[in-house]
Parts: sequence; C-alpha cells; structure tokens
Amino acid sequence: GAGVSQSPRYKVTKRGQDVTLRCDPISSHATLYWYQQALGQGPEFLTYFNYEAQPDKSGLPSDRFSAERPEGSISTLTIQRTEQRDSAMYRCASSLARVAAKNIQYFGAGTRLSVL
Amino acid sequence: DQQVKQNSPSLSVQEGRISILNCDYTNSMFDYFLWYKKYPAEGPTFLISISSIKDKNEDGRFTVFLNKSAKHLSLHIVPSQPGDSAVYFCAASEEFGGYQLTFGKGTKLSVIP
Repeated sequence: GAGVSQSPRYKVTKRGQDVTLRCDPISSHATLYWYQQALGQGPEFLTYFNYEAQPDKSGLPSDRFSAERPEGSISTLTIQRTEQRDSAMYRCASSLARVAAKNIQYFGAGTRLSVL
Repeated sequence: DQQVKQNSPSLSVQEGRISILNCDYTNSMFDYFLWYKKYPAEGPTFLISISSIKDKNEDGRFTVFLNKSAKHLSLHIVPSQPGDSAVYFCAASEEFGGYQLTFGKGTKLSVIP
C-alpha cells in the first residue's frame, strides 16, 4: 500500500480480554517494527520482523504480548489478558532493508488501546 | 533511564524566526540520529537524519547539527512557519547491527503567526 496502515484506530476493551492489533506495512518493505507509546512519551520499541522472522522480542513487556508476521507482510500484535497498564498508543513502522541501520522507518497512525 | 533526552517539552517561536530543538543522548553506541515530526492524529513522519561521521546535514529549511563529544544534537528550522507547529521527536540507533529506534519524549513546537 501507499503507507503503513493500522487497524483498528481505536480499541476499548475490558481488563482481562484479549486484543489483536493489525499492521499492513508498505509493500516491499522487508522490516516491520512494533512500538508502544505512552502519553507524553516517545515510542518505545517492542519487537521487529525481517520478513517473517522475528529476531528480537526483547522489548515485549511480558509474555502476554506476542506478535506474528506469518507471510512476511501483514503483522498482528496480540495482548492477552489485558491490564489497565497496557493502555497506550501502539505504533507499527516499516522500512525497506533487512538491516534497519540508516534506513528510515515509516510509521502508521497507530492504534489507541484503552483498557477499562 | 532515558538514553535520548529532549529536555524542553515545548517551544514557542515567532513566524520567520529560527527554531532550535535540542536533544542529548547517553549511549555512546548510538551513531545514527533522526528527527521525526508528528501532527495530531497522525504517525511520526521522517524529517531529517545525520550519521556520526558528519557534524551537519541540511535539507532546505531544516539543518541538524551533531556534537559527538558532547553527545548533543540540535535541529534548526529557518525560517519557521506556522505549518511547522508539531511535536518533534529525536531518535537514535546504532549504525551497525542496529534496528530499533530509541526516541526522546518529544518537543512541542508552536510557531506563532
């Protein structure tokens, strides 16, 4: 697509429910990133994919968080048993090269998650 | 502890004047730096970047300066325009083997007509 697309734009859920967020990167972009952004903060790295491989999950806050990119294009981020502290903006970005150094990351508009 | 710091949450500048946004970093492994601009309800968009082998990079009205010894960079916007009003994020990555961006908290720039 023309840009990075994320859905839904807004998600309100009750504590304890599972949620799945979707990211559709720029076509032909090999690398895809997930970030979490709390109010008043900058985005914080969660995980990334090179095509379907997920070399680093170290930024995921707990094992309730998982991400997939099974065919190397669309990715999902799933949060199980949501907690109020999971409320944040979740941003997806993609970049062209397999190694992100020096490569510009293009961001989607994000999904605003609110856990009640 | 924050590895990338933007100590000014906000900045107001008169239209036509220079805007200077500052950023400090603590991780000496960082050697590629980017500035992103963010309008409300949109994602951050890339503005300009600089590699540690340079001390200046210019793109139109935007110039980024890097002082590696001081671990400090700044973004200059000359002349400032009302459309530049946005939140500006400084970000850093490690040039070799790096992939994630580490962001500052952002500075909200208001350009007053």
